[in-house]
Amino acid sequence: EVQLVESGGDLVQPGGSLKLSCEASGFGFSGSAIHWVRQASGKGLEWVGRIGGRGDGHATAYGASVTGRFIISRDDSTNTAYLEMDSLKTEDTAVYYCTREDYYQIYYSYYYMDVWGKGTTVTVSS
Amino acid sequence: DIQMTQSPSSLSASLGHRVTITCRASQDIGYHLNWYQQRPGKAPDLLIFAASNLQSAVPSRFSGSGSGTDFTLTISGLQPEDFATYYCQQTSSGFTFGQGTKLEI
Repeated sequence: EVQLVESGGDLVQPGGSLKLSCEASGFGFSGSAIHWVRQASGKGLEWVGRIGGRGDGHATAYGASVTGRFIISRDDSTNTAYLEMDSLKTEDTAVYYCTREDYYQIYYSYYYMDVWGKGTTVTVSS
Repeated sequence: DIQMTQSPSSLSASLGHRVTITCRASQDIGYHLNWYQQRPGKAPDLLIFAASNLQSAVPSRFSGSGSGTDFTLTISGLQPEDFATYYCQQTSSGFTFGQGTKLEI
């Protein structure tokens, strides 16, 4: 079964740090790009960032609200991606999902997120 | 940055009816548009990719159309499990989501 499982969510004080994990199974993890998407309670989806697979050198990209504070990494030997969060703010409080990127190629490559974990909850509060 | 605007923000409909949700991009994104469904307390599910391609196992009552800046998601013959929140997402430059459309009975 293709699966992503997030862990590591916790209550943390403003200014603190936290590292989330995303463990994959059932597919070729090393070749797949992985994204992190978050959702504050009652709000919409916000793209956090992406790490590429083996084919694009594990390139990373981040959303504007987290650039400089969050870092995405991966360990292909354990099929795990990570989201390291520093200088946390109350507005970072959300459910954090990891997702797998796939693509459809016809003239161009059309990217989409076809597998999602159940999410892990991060609460930033004093 | 590309902004995505969905309309309406919420929508009431009845079982068996047809509904259409619109998504507008702030600039031309070609066909780089996906649709997701999210039920309460659950992770999103992919419905449509590349504007009009139905994801595997998604019922054929879901369809997508559009290109450039204007896109639609149509659900024909609403079923009880379709009452959820729907998000569009552009992947032309970055990965921006629309603000969501809540479909209610």
